Amino acid sequence: EIVLTQSPGTLSLSPGERATLSCRASQSVSSSYLAWYQQKPGQAPRLLIYGASSRATGIPDRFSGSGSGTDFTLTISRLEPEDFAVYYCQQYGSSQYTFGQGTKLEIK
Amino acid sequence: QVQLVQSGSELKKPGASVKVSCKASGYTFTSYAMNWVRQAPGQGLEWMGWINTNTGNPTYAQGFTGRFVFSLDTSVSTAYLQISSLKAEDTAVYYCAREMIILTGYYYYYYMDVWGKGTTVTVSS
Repeated sequence: EIVLTQSPGTLSLSPGERATLSCRASQSVSSSYLAWYQQKPGQAPRLLIYGASSRATGIPDRFSGSGSGTDFTLTISRLEPEDFAVYYCQQYGSSQYTFGQGTKLEIK
Repeated sequence: QVQLVQSGSELKKPGASVKVSCKASGYTFTSYAMNWVRQAPGQGLEWMGWINTNTGNPTYAQGFTGRFVFSLDTSVSTAYLQISSLKAEDTAVYYCAREMIILTGYYYYYYMDVWGKGTTVTVSS
């Protein structure tokens, strides 16, 4: 099973700042199998990025994904108040999905 | 619009069973697999497995065999998750999520594009 490790666990930033979230896999992951989700309290996860770098429908362009192999990054270029949430990376491999443990993005 | 509507919260006693439903609308139900994801209180997301909505064949993740059963009623575009012999540690929010698989060029893309709002299952005596 591929393990995804997200860092940092918590990221404290202010609106307008840039956020960089990391997702590291225990073995190489196909980029097309890597996705990012946003979850706000009391809500279901929402797809942000699929294929490591493709934005889902309706996702603002301040969200971008990059990376390959074992290292992937979600970047939010200028934080808006509504961006403070928990972010999860997810991979598909060997006919199963795994999620990272999440990064909480909180207001500083 | 495409949506997944899940059944309401459940409060159950240890040893009981629960059946959570996930009704799909806005798309052809049998064209997309359905996944189930668990989130324990204050914890992250945990993939439970998926069901092929064409064949009804389920696949369970490690840790979700035995007491967990995925099923379908395609006549009403609904997927079900049944949990038997409930334990306190089954207390969680359970999400259904549609699986999207697309082929672009040489590459397949896998992800979950539509999620239900979640069903809270509380197990307490």
